[in-house]
Amino acid sequence: DTEVTQTPKHLVMGMTNKKSLKCEQHMGHRAMYWYKQKAKKPPELMFVYSYEKLSINESVPSRFSPECPNSSLLNLHLHALQPEDSALYLCASSQDAGFLYEQYFGPGTRLTVT
Amino acid sequence: RKEVEQDPGPFNVPEGATVAFNCTYSNSASQSFFWYRQDCRKEPKLLMSVYSSGNEDGRFTAQLNRASQYISLLIRDSKLSDSATYLCVCNTGTASKLTFGTGTRLQVTL
Repeated sequence: DTEVTQTPKHLVMGMTNKKSLKCEQHMGHRAMYWYKQKAKKPPELMFVYSYEKLSINESVPSRFSPECPNSSLLNLHLHALQPEDSALYLCASSQDAGFLYEQYFGPGTRLTVT
Repeated sequence: RKEVEQDPGPFNVPEGATVAFNCTYSNSASQSFFWYRQDCRKEPKLLMSVYSSGNEDGRFTAQLNRASQYISLLIRDSKLSDSATYLCVCNTGTASKLTFGTGTRLQVTL
């Protein structure tokens, strides 16, 4: 079973709100990722967690704050977002970090910032 | 030059046709390669991994040419359900960073 789940499916938030996106996998994968995808563009990597530690931050603004409470869960905390942050946010996981491992994506959270 | 380049298409083909997509990558250090398909407003789904010279899975064949730095995907006997965007993806080094192409759109028609 290669399932990654994400909640919520859709989120509308104002620029002063604080919200969180959640991602869960039960495949025993030790690497988890956050991507952002705008319409008609490929996914862009935001963060990589390996063994629950942040290993890559692709110079993401601090209004996005990732958290990995345990090996199955990944959160993305959102605060003071801008309308241009509206996008599909995808979570992915892989068995381990490293070039051999395939990444499996969750269905995404479609975020609209008003 | 983009790290991963694909023809955006669209490729419009009739059902039953054979269609091929090419993808070129610029980083000679890339060590593994993937094809994902993405349906409109859905997540990317892994279609095939390409670790050596090539890989075949049913109607789908992926080939890698390291000397020329390109990857291809061949779809035989196209079906309506194959209509999607196909993303060529390279993984560089140990950092697990995936570099995505912009995708090639396929539309299979009756």
